Amino acid sequence: SQKIEQNSEALNIQEGKTATLTCNYTNYSPAYLQWYRQDPGRGPVFLLLIRENEKEKRKERLKVTFDTTLKQSLFHITASQPADSATYLCALDRGNMLTFGGGTRLMVKP
Amino acid sequence: DVKVTQSSRYLVKRTGEKVFLECVQDMDHENMFWYRQDPGLGLRLIYFSYDVKMKEKGDIPEGYSVSREKKERFSLILESASTNQTSMYLCASRSDYEQYFGPGTRLTVT
Repeated sequence: SQKIEQNSEALNIQEGKTATLTCNYTNYSPAYLQWYRQDPGRGPVFLLLIRENEKEKRKERLKVTFDTTLKQSLFHITASQPADSATYLCALDRGNMLTFGGGTRLMVKP
Repeated sequence: DVKVTQSSRYLVKRTGEKVFLECVQDMDHENMFWYRQDPGLGLRLIYFSYDVKMKEKGDIPEGYSVSREKKERFSLILESASTNQTSMYLCASRSDYEQYFGPGTRLTVT
């Protein structure tokens, strides 16, 4: 069956370091993959989309990679700040729908 | 800015009650979605709609129905609420690829 895995354990890093979050999937061949940010008590907010034919996408301090051979996406936040603390969700294309991973909570300590 | 609003932030209902959750978007999007979010299970798709009066089942439609009489409004209905439907309910609308989420309704069924 189709499965998306994100590290369910919280990721704790020091301010200024690069945070790297992982999204692995099986039994999918998505045309694109998206990353969302979710703060407590709020709905997710779209951050980035990367297509299957793109290896890397950047937006300000964010970088996403997409390896369709490894079936993995990496999400990087460089020069992390306490304000980056949130849960980050990856989502895979399923035609008209998205399937979301369980999310990884990032804590950036000052 | 795209705005997706949900009728209530918090709702407490009794077992067996009929519950309506309303969602309104202001960007003329054709596609709208209802998810529930539970700890450890992530976001799961209940139903979606790609046009007025059109609906499709998501991954967990049992115990729910939906209504889309107008393009901007998508309602989730719990015909007879049960305690296992206690959850955070999130509505979203879609533009091209990205989804815009409402703030969520935390429903407690006692």
